[in-house]
Amino acid sequence: EPEVTQTPSHQVTQMGQEVILRCVPISNHLYFYWYRQILGQKVEFLVSFYNNEISEKSEIFDDQFSVERPDGSNFTLKIRSTKLEDSAMYFCASSADLMGGPLHFGNGTRLTVT
Amino acid sequence: QQQVKQSPQSLIVQKGGISIINCAYENTAFDYFPWYQQFPGKGPALLIAIRPDVSEKKEGRFTISFNKSAKQFSLHIMDSQPGDSATYFCAARRETSGSRLTFGEGTQLTVNP
Repeated sequence: EPEVTQTPSHQVTQMGQEVILRCVPISNHLYFYWYRQILGQKVEFLVSFYNNEISEKSEIFDDQFSVERPDGSNFTLKIRSTKLEDSAMYFCASSADLMGGPLHFGNGTRLTVT
Repeated sequence: QQQVKQSPQSLIVQKGGISIINCAYENTAFDYFPWYQQFPGKGPALLIAIRPDVSEKKEGRFTISFNKSAKQFSLHIMDSQPGDSATYFCAARRETSGSRLTFGEGTQLTVNP
């Protein structure tokens, strides 16, 4: 079964550094998402992306965050200047349907900011 | 308006028992209600989903009950097994293109052998 793949599985960075989290969505999917999950808490929406544009973003997704689809397969989340509170699991997801439908999640990247 | 409230926070059930997890939502614009199962170190995986035009949906041992007037929905796991031990999240969204999925707080289910 096709799956969303994320790399790396674990990223450790120092506060103030830039990180790029990478995702390869399912190949025929059109909508791409980033969510995050702080340890022990619920999964929170960050941003959705369609047709090379942000469709929707949450209040968490401030100017230090950006997303990009640099080629036909990758989808990236960049955090420009990491803070301690950015430590979390970051999940990429994709969906096929133009009218919503099920989201398929990757296994996440654990980001640790020290 | 965007919140989805989930209870209980944790649940312990004996093998063969019924696990019941409840969710309530506020936003009447929500029209798609999935349940996700998450194992440690993995991403959420879609378990079962319902739309508000039906009051119940069953897939194997998993059933969603939906009460539109009360703005509540629940997951029932029949004949619970140790392999069902995981964190379960309810969620809701407006089923329009690219709209966000709003998750509940999660329920950690433990099924004892």
